[in-house]
Amino acid sequence: DIQMTQSPSTLSASVGDRVTITCRASQSINSWLAWYQQKPGKAPKLLIYKTSSLESGVPSRFSGSGSGTEFTLTISSLQPDDFATYYCQQYSSDLYTFGQGTTLEIK
Amino acid sequence: EVQLLDSGGGLVQPGGSLRLSCAASGFSFKSYAMSWVRQAPGKGLEWVSGLSGSGVSTYYADSVEGRFIISRDNSKNTLSLYMSSLRAEDTAIYYCAKGLVGATRGYFDYWGQGTLVTVSS
Repeated sequence: DIQMTQSPSTLSASVGDRVTITCRASQSINSWLAWYQQKPGKAPKLLIYKTSSLESGVPSRFSGSGSGTEFTLTISSLQPDDFATYYCQQYSSDLYTFGQGTTLEIK
Repeated sequence: EVQLLDSGGGLVQPGGSLRLSCAASGFSFKSYAMSWVRQAPGKGLEWVSGLSGSGVSTYYADSVEGRFIISRDNSKNTLSLYMSSLRAEDTAIYYCAKGLVGATRGYFDYWGQGTLVTVSS
């Protein structure tokens, strides 16, 4: 199975900061990577698919990049609504896997 | 509007069985791959199982292979997950998730609200 490793596990930041979350795959997944945001008690929400394509309705401050085995999610200017947990997901194989999550906390 | 309504969760003893359901509306259900994703209390997301729009192709995580069966009824727009030989480590919120049209592989653009399964004696 393809393993996905996110870093950091926790990130403390302030409103207005630019933050980057990294996701590494144990083997190449080309560009078959998605990012989700999850808030407590809620279902995950799709932010980005195919590494860098922004889902409809998602603010443009979110962006994704990478290829092969290393990927990043960047939030250009943190807003209060962005404090949540973020997950990457690979869909290169029939057996999907998620990263362990990155919790974005208010500093 | 796409809606996914998960149901069927509850308390079950170790070794027991349970069937989860997901009622879908607002899209052409038979055309889309669907999956179940779970989240243990305080933990991350784990993909459990998926199937193609036709239901012919099915996939399972190693952790549930041989114990869970995913199925769909395209005439009723319903996705199901039959879980047997349940273990304490199967305790989680189970979400159904909508995949892509005409494909078995993909990301999930809509999720149900989740249904809690607790395996305990």
